[in-house]
Amino acid sequence: GESVGLHLPTLSVQEGDNSIINCAYSNSASDYFIWYKQESGKGPQFIIDIRSNMDKRQGQRVTVLLNKTVKHLSLQIAATQPGDSAVYFCRLSGGYQKVTFGTGTKLQVIP
Amino acid sequence: EAGVAQSPRYKIIEKRQSVAFWCNPISGHATLYWYQQILGQGPKLLIQFQNNGVVDDSQLPKDRFSAERLKGVDSTLKIQPAKLEDSAVYLCASSPEGGDEKLFFGSGTQLSVL
Repeated sequence: GESVGLHLPTLSVQEGDNSIINCAYSNSASDYFIWYKQESGKGPQFIIDIRSNMDKRQGQRVTVLLNKTVKHLSLQIAATQPGDSAVYFCRLSGGYQKVTFGTGTKLQVIP
Repeated sequence: EAGVAQSPRYKIIEKRQSVAFWCNPISGHATLYWYQQILGQGPKLLIQFQNNGVVDDSQLPKDRFSAERLKGVDSTLKIQPAKLEDSAVYLCASSPEGGDEKLFFGSGTQLSVL
């Protein structure tokens, strides 16, 4: 069956604080995970990815954590800035499942 | 490097009319995708092309939607006739090879069906 990332709909964070956006999945065959950022009026933009042979990957101000035991993926944004305000999607693929986007989490940064 | 280009940016039509969207992927990208994104939801795949062949069109409503990718480069997506529930943003994306790699998206066409 399909794996769909489940998200909290909206996350409000004070500027300068760290943000954590979560994505739960159900299909254990998922082996490649991507986080996308979608700003208003734009298409999704790649942020960071991780494969199932890793449990952590870091980029510039972003970290993705993968817990395969509980089928949970998270995106951590350090020192959140107003420009981080957007909708964040996880995208899952692997095995015979269709590649699927989650519903998304809207991140609101409070100045 | 130029990104994925889409046109028009916005389109307003009445139900039962026809509409077409155009996409020019990143040069050299073999795989092209059309997604439908309804307000408040994640993108839903409509069709995936590998060069000029269809890889997956299982979620394309074929009674009213059609897509083609002539010469394995540009692509058009058509809706005929449109329904109210087709109101959405239509996103085009491309990737170098296909499979599970990261996608590069255009800004989309926002369609309103009245």
